[in-house]
Amino acid sequence: QVQLVESGGGVVQPGRSLRLSCAASGFTFTNHGMHWVRQAPGRGLEWVAVTSYDGTTEFYADSVKGRFTISRDNSKNTLSLQMNSLTTEDTAVYYCAKDGGYYDILTGYYYFYYYMDVWGKGTTVTVS
Amino acid sequence: QSVLTQPPSVSGAPGQRVTISCTGSSSNIGSGYEVHWYQQLPGTAPKLLIYRNTERPSGVPDRFSGSKSGTSASLAITGLQADDEAVYYCQSHDISLTYVFGTGTTVTVL
Repeated sequence: QVQLVESGGGVVQPGRSLRLSCAASGFTFTNHGMHWVRQAPGRGLEWVAVTSYDGTTEFYADSVKGRFTISRDNSKNTLSLQMNSLTTEDTAVYYCAKDGGYYDILTGYYYFYYYMDVWGKGTTVTVS
Repeated sequence: QSVLTQPPSVSGAPGQRVTISCTGSSSNIGSGYEVHWYQQLPGTAPKLLIYRNTERPSGVPDRFSGSKSGTSASLAITGLQADDEAVYYCQSHDISLTYVFGTGTTVTVL
């Protein structure tokens, strides 16, 4: 079955860095964009970043732009989030999520639907 | 920074119908982007509930339905059940090339 498993969370001091990973299985990883979404304690969902199916394009929320970098290794079915210059505002559960769109190898197009259809259980980052 | 506005809470008795509104703007929902809904049960990850305004993923009961009009969307839950108690989020895309979530609505079954 489709599964996303995040890892790498922990407690880190302000100003330091942390790298999150997400292991994907059960689907053709190379055909889908991938997201990071976070949720601060007691707060709502906040989209963080997305990478295209082939890793050539990324977009970021303003709150993390210039500090976080999303990347993927399609040979290992792995998504990553490098987080630098962390602040207490970055404390949250970080979820990896699969994009609901897909790359069609026959047409060569990526079909964008702009939603997340599968989520991991999350990994907790505490900046303190 | 949520840019889609939802009511903080709605409640209803078992069996009743409740609706949750999601209000956006001309830069997201009003630009033609579709609206999607997620259910987050206590202590768990969000789960896709409705996608592309009205579509239900396999396994989601037809008690859940979505609609969209103009710069707003709605989620309706009919035949409310105790295990529908959760936080519900709407989500869309924005012309700034970002993804936006709603503020979240807690559904309470009385």
